[in-house]
Amino acid sequence: AQKVTQAQTEISVVEKEDVTLDCVYETRDTTYYLFWYKQPPSGELVFLIRRNSFDEQNEISGRYSWNFQKSTSSFNFTITASQVVDSAVYFCALTLPYNQGGKLIFGQGTELSVKP
Amino acid sequence: DARVTQTPRHKVTEMGQEVTMRCQPILGHNTVFWYRQTMMQGLELLAYFRNRAPLDDSGMPKDRFSAEMPDATLATLKIQPSEPRDSAVYFCASGVTGANQPQHFGDGTRLSIL
Repeated sequence: AQKVTQAQTEISVVEKEDVTLDCVYETRDTTYYLFWYKQPPSGELVFLIRRNSFDEQNEISGRYSWNFQKSTSSFNFTITASQVVDSAVYFCALTLPYNQGGKLIFGQGTELSVKP
Repeated sequence: DARVTQTPRHKVTEMGQEVTMRCQPILGHNTVFWYRQTMMQGLELLAYFRNRAPLDDSGMPKDRFSAEMPDATLATLKIQPSEPRDSAVYFCASGVTGANQPQHFGDGTRLSIL
C-alpha cells in the first residue's frame, strides 16, 4: 500500500533560519509522482512542486529547494532564509499511477511557524 | 489565473439537514476530486471523476454521501442526513488526466454540523 510519512508535526524557527521538512514515502510502483503543497492560515492548498520517480535531480526555486532520493524514499523540502510568510502547513503527497486514478495520498502535514 | 471555485465557503447547519457543496473545476480539466480534511484524519479522498464518470468513491460513506457531476462545469457533494462527525473542510480539486499532473484545489467549504 502507498503511504506518506511526515514525521515532523510542528517546527518553529526564527526568521532567516533555514528549515528542512522531511517526507518519506512508501510505494511498490516503479512509476510515481511526488508533490508538495502549502496550506497557509487562510486555508487554501497551493501547489509547490511535482517530481516524477525517474528524475532525481534536485530542484531549486528561489528560497525553496527539494531533495529527492529514491534510495531512501525521501523527498525533503528546504526553505532557505525563512520568512514569516512561510508560516503554513506543508503537505507532501504521492500520486498513484494513472490506472489507479491519479489520486493523491497525503502525509499528515508539517506545521511550520516562522517567528520574527 | 484560472481557479477551482467552491461554494459555499462556510456552512453551519443542524444535524439531520441536507448539505450540498458545489465545485466548478478549471475549464478544460477532466478530472475532479473531492477531499475531506479533519484534524484526526488529515486529508483523505472521498471520490473522484474522470470525464464526468465516477471512478472511485470508496472513501465516501455511501449511506449518506453522494457525489455527482451533472455537467463538465459542476460537481456536487451531498450529505443527507448530516451528522456532527461530518464537520470538516471539504476540498474540491481538478486536474488533467495523468498522474503527473498537479491537482489544483479550491478554497474549500468549511462545514459545521451542530
